[in-house]
Amino acid sequence: GAVVSQHPSWVICKSGTSVKIECRSLDFQATTMFWYRQFPKQSLMLMATSNEGSKATYEQGVEKDKFLINHASLTLSTLTVTSAHPEDSSFYICSARGGTGGNTGELFFGEGSRLTVL
Amino acid sequence: KQEVTQIPAALSVPEGENLVLNCSFTDSAIYNLQWFRQDPGKGLTSLLLIQSSQREQTSGRLNASLDKSSGRSTLYIAASQPGDSATYLCAVRYNNNDMRFGAGTRLTVKP
Repeated sequence: GAVVSQHPSWVICKSGTSVKIECRSLDFQATTMFWYRQFPKQSLMLMATSNEGSKATYEQGVEKDKFLINHASLTLSTLTVTSAHPEDSSFYICSARGGTGGNTGELFFGEGSRLTVL
Repeated sequence: KQEVTQIPAALSVPEGENLVLNCSFTDSAIYNLQWFRQDPGKGLTSLLLIQSSQREQTSGRLNASLDKSSGRSTLYIAASQPGDSATYLCAVRYNNNDMRFGAGTRLTVKP
């Protein structure tokens, strides 16, 4: 299957700082990327959908000024957690659709990024 | 409301057993359904993708079926192995492009 790379895999930061997470589709062009948050032993919670070259669409309850998403190219989307606080600590996962998935719409996921805010 | 439910929430079986994981969805206007595997602290690995026009897909010891009319999909795992231990999630993509994930089934295969 297609490969989606997420970086960093884990990050620890101080409260009030900003953290950027990258999501790259390595062998295909991702027209749409998704960002999720996952709490322990729970399923994925969709945060936002981003299409290349346009503004992200945020799910209800997700602060767009808090979680900045940029999808500047067909192979890269970034999630920036601004002014992070301990309650932002979570596992963040991205997924991408397109490219080798063709019109099948298959979704490929990154390995996830664990954020810990002290 | 588009909901996806997975039953059971957890399952423990001895090695070698065949097993079935269930996924049900409330809206039959689906575009496709995808089964994933998630290991602890990791992302999701795609196992099988079934388009709305298909009835089943097979990959190795895995077989996934889709019955849109009854709103159900099953993931069949043959001859289970300890390495199959993981959480299995189904995700439904609807015609309006919304995607809904089930809460997952946590599978443990005991040696």
